[in-house]
Amino acid sequence: DAKTTQPNSMESNEEEPVHLPCNHSTISGTDYIHWYRQLPSQGPEYVIHGLTSNVNNRMASLAIAEDRKSSTLILHRATLRDAAVYYCILRDRLGNTGFQKLVFGTGTRLLVSP
Amino acid sequence: NAGVTQTPKFRVLKTGQSMTLLCAQDMNHEYMYWYRQDPGMGLRLIHYSVGEGTTAKGEVPDGYNVSRLKKQNFLLGLESAAPSQTSVYFCASSSLSGGSDQPQHFGDGTRLSIL
Repeated sequence: DAKTTQPNSMESNEEEPVHLPCNHSTISGTDYIHWYRQLPSQGPEYVIHGLTSNVNNRMASLAIAEDRKSSTLILHRATLRDAAVYYCILRDRLGNTGFQKLVFGTGTRLLVSP
Repeated sequence: NAGVTQTPKFRVLKTGQSMTLLCAQDMNHEYMYWYRQDPGMGLRLIHYSVGEGTTAKGEVPDGYNVSRLKKQNFLLGLESAAPSQTSVYFCASSSLSGGSDQPQHFGDGTRLSIL
Protein backbone atom coordinates (compact mmCIF):
# COMPACT_ATOMS: atom_id res chain seq x y z
CA ASP A 1 0.00 0.00 0.00
CA ALA A 2 1.27 3.47 -0.88
CA LYS A 3 2.19 5.50 2.18
CA THR A 4 0.97 8.93 3.26
CA THR A 5 2.72 11.45 5.51
CA GLN A 6 0.84 13.95 7.66
CA PRO A 7 1.87 16.35 10.43
CA ASN A 8 1.15 15.01 13.89
CA SER A 9 -0.89 18.03 14.95
CA MET A 10 -2.15 21.42 13.86
CA GLU A 11 -3.92 24.26 15.61
CA SER A 12 -6.55 26.67 14.41
CA ASN A 13 -8.90 29.30 15.73
CA GLU A 14 -12.63 29.00 15.41
CA GLU A 15 -14.11 30.41 12.19
CA GLU A 16 -10.72 30.50 10.44
CA PRO A 17 -9.86 28.31 7.43
CA VAL A 18 -7.75 25.22 8.03
CA HIS A 19 -5.46 23.56 5.50
CA LEU A 20 -4.45 20.02 6.40
CA PRO A 21 -1.60 18.72 4.22
CA CYS A 22 -0.85 15.17 3.13
CA ASN A 23 2.16 13.92 1.17
CA HIS A 24 1.86 10.76 -0.93
CA SER A 25 4.88 10.78 -3.19
CA THR A 26 4.52 7.07 -4.12
CA ILE A 27 0.90 7.36 -5.21
CA SER A 28 -0.02 5.28 -8.24
CA GLY A 29 -2.17 6.42 -11.12
CA THR A 30 -5.12 4.35 -9.90
CA ASP A 31 -5.11 5.47 -6.25
CA TYR A 32 -7.98 7.50 -4.88
CA ILE A 33 -7.16 9.96 -2.08
CA HIS A 34 -9.61 9.55 0.79
CA TRP A 35 -9.97 11.62 3.95
CA TYR A 36 -11.62 10.46 7.15
CA ARG A 37 -11.83 12.12 10.52
CA GLN A 38 -12.32 10.71 14.00
CA LEU A 39 -13.97 12.81 16.67
CA PRO A 40 -13.20 11.97 20.32
CA SER A 41 -14.77 8.70 21.45
CA GLN A 42 -16.33 8.04 18.04
CA GLY A 43 -15.63 5.92 15.01
CA PRO A 44 -14.01 7.39 11.91
CA GLU A 45 -16.24 9.43 9.62
CA TYR A 46 -15.84 9.79 5.86
CA VAL A 47 -15.05 13.36 4.80
CA ILE A 48 -14.18 13.47 1.12
CA HIS A 49 -12.24 11.73 -1.64
CA GLY A 50 -10.84 12.51 -5.07
CA LEU A 51 -8.69 11.17 -7.89
CA THR A 52 -7.24 14.04 -9.92
CA SER A 53 -9.52 17.06 -9.80
CA ASN A 54 -10.28 19.23 -6.81
CA VAL A 55 -13.47 18.22 -5.01
CA ASN A 56 -15.97 20.06 -2.85
CA ASN A 57 -18.74 18.80 -0.59
CA ARG A 58 -20.71 20.15 2.33
CA MET A 59 -18.01 19.20 4.81
CA ALA A 60 -14.78 20.26 3.11
CA SER A 61 -12.77 20.78 -0.06
CA LEU A 62 -9.95 18.62 -1.35
CA ALA A 63 -7.17 20.23 -3.36
CA ILE A 64 -4.95 17.77 -5.25
CA ALA A 65 -1.57 18.81 -6.62
CA GLU A 66 -1.09 18.53 -10.35
CA ASP A 67 1.48 15.72 -9.94
CA ARG A 68 -0.80 14.07 -7.31
CA LYS A 69 2.08 13.68 -4.88
CA SER A 70 0.35 15.79 -2.29
CA SER A 71 -3.11 16.95 -1.35
CA THR A 72 -4.72 19.37 1.08
CA LEU A 73 -7.97 19.05 2.98
CA ILE A 74 -9.54 22.45 3.44
CA LEU A 75 -12.05 23.28 6.14
CA HIS A 76 -13.36 26.69 5.16
CA ARG A 77 -14.45 27.83 8.61
CA ALA A 78 -13.30 25.69 11.51
CA THR A 79 -15.72 25.09 14.35
CA LEU A 80 -15.10 23.51 17.73
CA ARG A 81 -16.83 20.41 16.42
CA ASP A 82 -14.10 20.03 13.78
CA ALA A 83 -11.53 19.17 16.46
CA ALA A 84 -10.60 15.61 15.53
CA VAL A 85 -7.90 13.38 14.09
CA TYR A 86 -7.85 13.61 10.30
CA TYR A 87 -6.61 10.67 8.26
CA CYS A 88 -5.40 10.84 4.66
CA ILE A 89 -5.65 7.39 3.03
CA LEU A 90 -4.92 6.06 -0.45
CA ARG A 91 -7.21 3.45 -1.98
CA ASP A 92 -6.50 1.66 -5.23
CA ARG A 93 -9.55 1.79 -7.47
CA LEU A 94 -8.64 -1.51 -9.04
CA GLY A 95 -9.06 -4.85 -7.35
CA ASN A 96 -10.20 -8.38 -7.92
CA THR A 97 -13.39 -8.11 -5.91
CA GLY A 98 -13.76 -4.37 -5.63
CA PHE A 99 -12.82 -4.67 -1.97
CA GLN A 100 -10.16 -2.25 -0.87
CA LYS A 101 -9.11 -2.02 2.73
CA LEU A 102 -8.42 1.25 4.48
CA VAL A 103 -4.90 1.54 5.88
CA PHE A 104 -4.89 4.11 8.68
CA GLY A 105 -1.77 5.97 9.74
CA THR A 106 -1.70 8.11 12.88
CA GLY A 107 -3.26 11.14 11.16
CA THR A 108 -3.21 14.83 12.10
CA ARG A 109 -4.78 15.93 15.36
CA LEU A 110 -6.55 19.24 14.76
CA LEU A 111 -7.01 21.49 17.78
CA VAL A 112 -9.55 24.32 17.44
CA SER A 113 -9.53 27.21 19.88
CA PRO A 114 -12.51 29.46 20.57
CA ASN B 1 -31.09 6.14 10.53
CA ALA B 2 -29.19 3.66 12.67
CA GLY B 3 -26.29 2.98 10.25
CA VAL B 4 -23.77 0.71 11.97
CA THR B 5 -24.60 -0.39 15.50
CA GLN B 6 -22.15 -2.12 17.82
CA THR B 7 -22.99 -3.98 21.01
CA PRO B 8 -21.89 -3.88 23.73
CA LYS B 9 -20.35 -0.41 24.06
CA PHE B 10 -18.15 -1.37 27.03
CA ARG B 11 -17.00 -4.65 28.50
CA VAL B 12 -14.47 -5.85 31.05
CA LEU B 13 -13.26 -9.43 30.82
CA LYS B 14 -10.88 -11.60 32.76
CA THR B 15 -8.00 -13.32 30.99
CA GLY B 16 -9.19 -16.54 29.41
CA GLN B 17 -12.85 -15.60 29.17
CA SER B 18 -14.64 -15.58 25.85
CA MET B 19 -17.05 -13.12 24.33
CA THR B 20 -18.67 -12.05 21.09
CA LEU B 21 -18.96 -8.52 19.76
CA LEU B 22 -21.95 -7.87 17.53
CA CYS B 23 -22.09 -5.49 14.59
CA ALA B 24 -25.32 -4.77 12.74
CA GLN B 25 -25.83 -2.53 9.70
CA ASP B 26 -29.10 -1.49 8.11
CA MET B 27 -27.71 -0.10 4.82
CA ASN B 28 -27.75 -3.41 2.92
CA HIS B 29 -23.97 -3.22 2.50
CA GLU B 30 -22.09 -6.19 1.11
CA TYR B 31 -18.76 -5.48 2.80
CA MET B 32 -18.17 -5.47 6.54
CA TYR B 33 -14.99 -5.03 8.58
CA TRP B 34 -13.63 -5.29 12.09
CA TYR B 35 -10.81 -2.98 13.20
CA ARG B 36 -9.01 -2.44 16.47
CA GLN B 37 -7.51 0.82 17.67
CA ASP B 38 -4.87 0.99 20.36
CA PRO B 39 -3.93 4.24 22.16
CA GLY B 40 -2.16 6.74 19.91
CA MET B 41 -2.43 4.51 16.85
CA GLY B 42 -4.51 4.32 13.74
CA LEU B 43 -7.02 1.55 13.12
CA ARG B 44 -5.81 -1.90 12.11
CA LEU B 45 -7.93 -4.38 10.19
CA ILE B 46 -8.65 -7.65 12.00
CA HIS B 47 -11.03 -9.50 9.66
CA TYR B 48 -13.38 -8.55 6.89
CA SER B 49 -16.22 -10.01 4.83
CA VAL B 50 -17.13 -9.41 1.21
CA GLY B 51 -20.53 -11.06 1.51
CA GLU B 52 -22.83 -13.30 3.52
CA GLY B 53 -21.11 -16.53 4.46
CA THR B 54 -17.60 -15.33 3.56
CA THR B 55 -14.82 -13.99 5.77
CA ALA B 56 -11.13 -13.25 5.35
CA LYS B 57 -8.15 -12.32 7.48
CA GLY B 58 -6.94 -8.78 7.75
CA GLU B 59 -3.75 -7.34 9.17
CA VAL B 60 -3.99 -8.62 12.78
CA PRO B 61 -6.31 -11.70 12.82
CA ASP B 62 -4.62 -13.84 15.51
CA GLY B 63 -6.77 -14.55 18.55
CA TYR B 64 -10.02 -13.59 16.83
CA ASN B 65 -12.70 -15.39 14.85
CA VAL B 66 -15.57 -13.96 12.84
CA SER B 67 -18.82 -15.06 11.30
CA ARG B 68 -21.22 -13.53 8.78
CA LEU B 69 -24.30 -15.74 8.79
CA LYS B 70 -26.60 -12.88 7.82
CA LYS B 71 -25.81 -10.02 5.48
CA GLN B 72 -26.59 -7.39 8.06
CA ASN B 73 -24.56 -8.89 10.92
CA PHE B 74 -20.85 -9.43 11.46
CA LEU B 75 -19.71 -11.07 14.70
CA LEU B 76 -16.24 -10.87 16.21
CA GLY B 77 -15.31 -13.55 18.73
CA LEU B 78 -12.55 -13.79 21.30
CA GLU B 79 -12.23 -17.42 22.35
CA SER B 80 -9.70 -16.89 25.14
CA ALA B 81 -9.19 -13.23 25.92
CA ALA B 82 -5.68 -11.92 26.59
CA PRO B 83 -4.59 -8.56 28.03
CA SER B 84 -3.02 -7.70 24.65
CA GLN B 85 -6.55 -7.63 23.23
CA THR B 86 -7.49 -4.66 25.38
CA SER B 87 -8.48 -2.13 22.76
CA VAL B 88 -11.31 -0.22 21.13
CA TYR B 89 -12.99 -2.27 18.42
CA PHE B 90 -14.71 -0.66 15.47
CA CYS B 91 -17.00 -2.24 12.94
CA ALA B 92 -17.57 -0.74 9.50
CA SER B 93 -19.53 -1.49 6.36
CA SER B 94 -19.43 -0.35 2.76
CA SER B 95 -21.28 -0.88 -0.47
CA LEU B 96 -20.09 -3.14 -3.28
CA SER B 97 -21.13 -0.86 -6.09
CA GLY B 98 -18.45 1.61 -7.10
CA GLY B 99 -15.61 -0.39 -5.53
CA SER B 100 -13.02 1.70 -3.72
CA ASP B 101 -15.00 4.83 -4.51
CA GLN B 102 -17.39 3.91 -1.72
CA PRO B 103 -16.79 5.21 1.81
CA GLN B 104 -16.80 2.98 4.84
CA HIS B 105 -19.38 3.70 7.53
CA PHE B 106 -18.23 3.10 11.10
CA GLY B 107 -19.92 2.29 14.36
CA ASP B 108 -19.09 4.10 17.59
CA GLY B 109 -16.88 1.32 18.90
CA THR B 110 -16.71 -1.23 21.72
CA ARG B 111 -14.26 -0.47 24.51
CA LEU B 112 -12.90 -3.78 25.75
CA SER B 113 -10.63 -4.21 28.78
CA ILE B 114 -9.04 -7.53 29.63
CA LEU B 115 -7.70 -7.90 33.15
